[in-house]
Amino acid sequence: DAKTTQPTSMDCAEGRAANLPCNHSTISGNEYVYWYRQIHSQGPQYIIHGLKNNETNEMASLIITEDRKSSTLILPHATLRDTAVYYCIADSGSARQLTFGSGTQLTVLP
Amino acid sequence: EAGVAQSPRYKIIEKRQSVAFWCNPISGHATLYWYQQILGQGPKLLIQFQNNGVVDDSQLPKDRFSAERLKGVDSTLKIQPAKLEDSAVYLCASSLEAGNNSPLHFGNGTRLTVT
Repeated sequence: DAKTTQPTSMDCAEGRAANLPCNHSTISGNEYVYWYRQIHSQGPQYIIHGLKNNETNEMASLIITEDRKSSTLILPHATLRDTAVYYCIADSGSARQLTFGSGTQLTVLP
Repeated sequence: EAGVAQSPRYKIIEKRQSVAFWCNPISGHATLYWYQQILGQGPKLLIQFQNNGVVDDSQLPKDRFSAERLKGVDSTLKIQPAKLEDSAVYLCASSLEAGNNSPLHFGNGTRLTVT
């Protein structure tokens, strides 16, 4: 799986959009970009994934650049419950090893 | 839909004892995974099942760890005998299919403490 780079931490005001960036400059053509988050004492939670096109679901939007070297996860209206560590992963499907890295600690402030 | 169920939630044992963890995946999910997450690190894959067959167990310490998924649904992970370094959260995950266009859905894990 390609290496991903994320900021260590970010803050966001409650009710505002949270934009979490991720760099994956060495991603290969068959690797999907996945986002998971982990709240303390819980297992990782799937958020969204995509290959080339932008994606949206009930939780978030995923914007992938045309060259696929970076992406942004958007939480449109952050709430206090969105405080978590967010992981960006390039998944090649090889044994689903899912190299999680250190992720971004998002803190939503009241 | 119901999520991935794991039990027990917590377990404390002494070294050299044995322990077993149970996982019930999301209904209809053919692929099941066991991960080990040591404090402060990301999850590490131990074993992947497709239905009741093993796809990948290259990272499973087979001298002490074993896992089975006999009827292609529930799975158990066993450690015998446990070592201090086995203290971790053991996460079970499932996905509809094995490929990388199929998201993993995780349970909340079993936190194992070996003393």
